Amino acid sequence: DGGITQSPKYLFRKEGQNVTLSCEQNLNHDAMYWYRQDPGQGLRLIYYSQIVNDFQKGDIAEGYSVSREKKESFPLTVTSAQKNPTAFYLCASSPRPLADTQYFGPGTRLTVL
Amino acid sequence: AQSVTQPDIHITVSEGASLELRCNYSYGATPYLFWYVQSPGQGLQLLLKYFSGDTLVQGIKGFEAEFKRSQSSFNLRKPSVHWSDAAEYFCAGFTGTASKLTFGTGTRLQVTL
Repeated sequence: DGGITQSPKYLFRKEGQNVTLSCEQNLNHDAMYWYRQDPGQGLRLIYYSQIVNDFQKGDIAEGYSVSREKKESFPLTVTSAQKNPTAFYLCASSPRPLADTQYFGPGTRLTVL
Repeated sequence: AQSVTQPDIHITVSEGASLELRCNYSYGATPYLFWYVQSPGQGLQLLLKYFSGDTLVQGIKGFEAEFKRSQSSFNLRKPSVHWSDAAEYFCAGFTGTASKLTFGTGTRLQVTL
């Protein structure tokens, strides 16, 4: 089955630690996205990538980093510089960059202890 | 700023009753609009989308939405709600080939038996 996978589903980290969230897609989509979801705030765009080896900051990129070395993979690193990292993180992909339908993975819930 | 607005944070309906969830948009040009549904702790599932053409759009799970330019609205409807429809619903949109997808803050639907 084609789709988007995110791992792990739940992640706990101590303050001051970096942590990497995985996102893989086998839909052959060009573009991939990372969103952060907090209660009552909808989804906010962190980073997006339109093509391999290229990515752009979204609306809330501070404290996060990404890479896009392979078309199917777009990992997100939450660094210790992110002031309030506890949230639900969603990865998405679309056939073409930006102006196209986005499809979402199941999400990763990150809790900072 | 270009945006979508969901005026209702929480709606409760009885099983078997009809449903309408409101979405208003603010874009200079004709937008591309989407409705997604999210069950607790899960990712977003695409219900339907409007890109152009017929203003009444049919989606999955018996949902439909109508694009009304005169009212800047894209309301989601279902004639008879099932208990399994209880979830959070997000309206989203973009305009133009280089714009990012923006989300409303969501409407939580509760279904009473």
